[in-house]
Amino acid sequence: DGGITQSPKYLFRKEGQNVTLSCEQNLNHDAMYWYRQDPGQGLRLIYYSQIVNDFQKGDIAEGYSVSREKKESFPLTVTSAQKNPTAFYLCASSTGQGANEQYFGPGTRLTVT
Amino acid sequence: AQSVTQLDSHVSVSEGTPVLLRCNYSSSYSPSLFWYVQHPNKGLQLLLKYTSAATLVKGINGFEAEFKKSETSFHLTKPSAHMSDAAEYFCVVRSVYSSASKIIFGSGTRLSIRP
Repeated sequence: DGGITQSPKYLFRKEGQNVTLSCEQNLNHDAMYWYRQDPGQGLRLIYYSQIVNDFQKGDIAEGYSVSREKKESFPLTVTSAQKNPTAFYLCASSTGQGANEQYFGPGTRLTVT
Repeated sequence: AQSVTQLDSHVSVSEGTPVLLRCNYSSSYSPSLFWYVQHPNKGLQLLLKYTSAATLVKGINGFEAEFKKSETSFHLTKPSAHMSDAAEYFCVVRSVYSSASKIIFGSGTRLSIRP
């Protein structure tokens, strides 16, 4: 089965703790993305990576960090510096060439109390 | 510059009646346009895409969309709504010349289906 997996589906953390969200793809895609979705809103880009060992900030990168050590993996760390971390996080990938579509994972719902 | 506007935040139709979800875009270059569907607490699934081939695009689950350059629109339609169509729908614009950061998502339209 080809696709994108995100784990866990639900995640609970205490305020002040860092937490890492997993995203893995076996589609052989070069580009990977992290989005944040808040209730009733569209998607906002956090970070993206177009190639291994390289990544760029999106529109709302503050309080987040990423790594891209392998083509298949693009983990997102939500740090304690993120003021409002409770949200639905979506990972996506694409071939990175031209204007092709993105494929999305099932999402991780993070709740910080 | 690119932008996308979904003209309705919420659309409600009766089961068996037509669906129309409206999307207008602006793009400096020839755009690629997409419609995605999102069911509650799920990821986004691609419904259909326009990439400068036929202007009438057929997608999954009976949906289709027509690219109208003169009106800068890419409205999503379905002849007969089904209860399972209840979800959030996103219109997305991207240019082949744009970087990954320039994939623009609309704010979404929530589709409700009345029995």
